[in-house]
Amino acid sequence: EADIYQTPRYLVIGTGKKITLECSQTMGHDKMYWYQQDPGMELHLIHYSYGVNSTEKGDLSSESTVSRIRTEHFPLTLESARPSHTSQYLCASSGKLAGVWDGTQYFGPGTRLLVL
Amino acid sequence: GENVEQHPSTLSVQEGDSAVIKCTYSDSASNYFPWYKQELGKGPQLIIDIRSNVGEKKDQRIAVTLNKTAKHFSLHITETQPEDSAVYFCAASEGGADGLTFGKGTHLIIQP
Repeated sequence: EADIYQTPRYLVIGTGKKITLECSQTMGHDKMYWYQQDPGMELHLIHYSYGVNSTEKGDLSSESTVSRIRTEHFPLTLESARPSHTSQYLCASSGKLAGVWDGTQYFGPGTRLLVL
Repeated sequence: GENVEQHPSTLSVQEGDSAVIKCTYSDSASNYFPWYKQELGKGPQLIIDIRSNVGEKKDQRIAVTLNKTAKHFSLHITETQPEDSAVYFCAASEGGADGLTFGKGTHLIIQP
């Protein structure tokens, strides 16, 4: 079972508030990802990181920002939440197997965000 | 870049019957093909994967087949059970540091 954690699991917040979604993994993986997903729908990559101090934008444009100061931690921040940000946010990580990129992504349980 | 098409979007089968979900990909350089299962309220979980040097892989009731010439791969679930009801995602990757390209998902419904 993958050791990747997300907090909070559920968040209900008012418009205009600043929020940070936490993601941590204990597998020592270099690469981490954030996906946005409406329930039961396709996964949209919004951010990824190759390692410490690396952040890249994904395929879907997002008003959120990310940081990667430590290998195990990849938080996502929304400076001013809006109802259009209501969604599920999934964090994932991938690493190397015997020095070679494995390709497998391991997902956290997700954070369900509702902005009123 | 890679494009992954997944069919059907919804699949309803009787308990005990088999289910097949199919995916096609566009990039012939892709060599890693995982399948994920996502249950309600949870993150996707890897259930089986296949690499390009293998044509078929089995794990109990689940099997994946790969046809590199036709650029398609399929998930087969035999003797379906109620707990198989979930959304299933296929994905493809060239490996290396590149990420996965996901299909849009299949809602599998197991009818009692």
